[in-house]
Amino acid sequence: DQQVKQNSPSLSVQEGRISILNCDYTNSMFDYFLWYKKYPAEGPTFLISISSIKDKNEDGRFTVFLNKSAKHLSLHIVPSQPGDSAVYFCAASVAGANNLFFGTGTRLTVIP
Amino acid sequence: NAGVMQNPRHLVRRRGQEARLRCSPMKGHSHVYWYRQLPEEGLKFMVYLQKENIIDESGMPKERFSAEFPKEGPSILRIQQVVRGDSAAYFCASSSVIQEGYTFGSGTRLTVV
Repeated sequence: DQQVKQNSPSLSVQEGRISILNCDYTNSMFDYFLWYKKYPAEGPTFLISISSIKDKNEDGRFTVFLNKSAKHLSLHIVPSQPGDSAVYFCAASVAGANNLFFGTGTRLTVIP
Repeated sequence: NAGVMQNPRHLVRRRGQEARLRCSPMKGHSHVYWYRQLPEEGLKFMVYLQKENIIDESGMPKERFSAEFPKEGPSILRIQQVVRGDSAAYFCASSSVIQEGYTFGSGTRLTVV
């Protein structure tokens, strides 16, 4: 039962343009959401997070938007750079719990 | 301050053998998590441990898989009598509190031949 879904397995974007990665979830008890970035042969690295009390969190070129009513979040990267090419995982957790539920990932390719 | 250390990076086992995967969390982190990534799939939660305690093992297969995090030493994920379907990348992560996110290790790639 996949509680966190990333329906786009891949995305290609031109350098300098905006990358938008989407994530949907089914569990209304999720209250904390995170994005991770993964390069080949490495472990995922934490990128940005958002609490359910917010609808937006920004960190440099990265912004995460949360729409609780739609159970949807998105990661915006602008401007996209070739070094952003990686697999991006969306993750969510329930209040009081420490384990994260991950999506299946979206492979982003930024074309120079 | 070393990150999460996993070893070995690559492990090859014949069917029926045992696989032992080790994970040393970041200094100061008391929570350890094991995840498995099968080919073409996302990260699947397996088990969450604190020192000497299994907190949540809801993602662990019922048979052949076990995990421990002893008072001293690394956390161990043990797979007995491995089968080809166990071939995957196994990632360990550690955290202090969830709001800081997990720190992942580089993973152990298990290949069962």
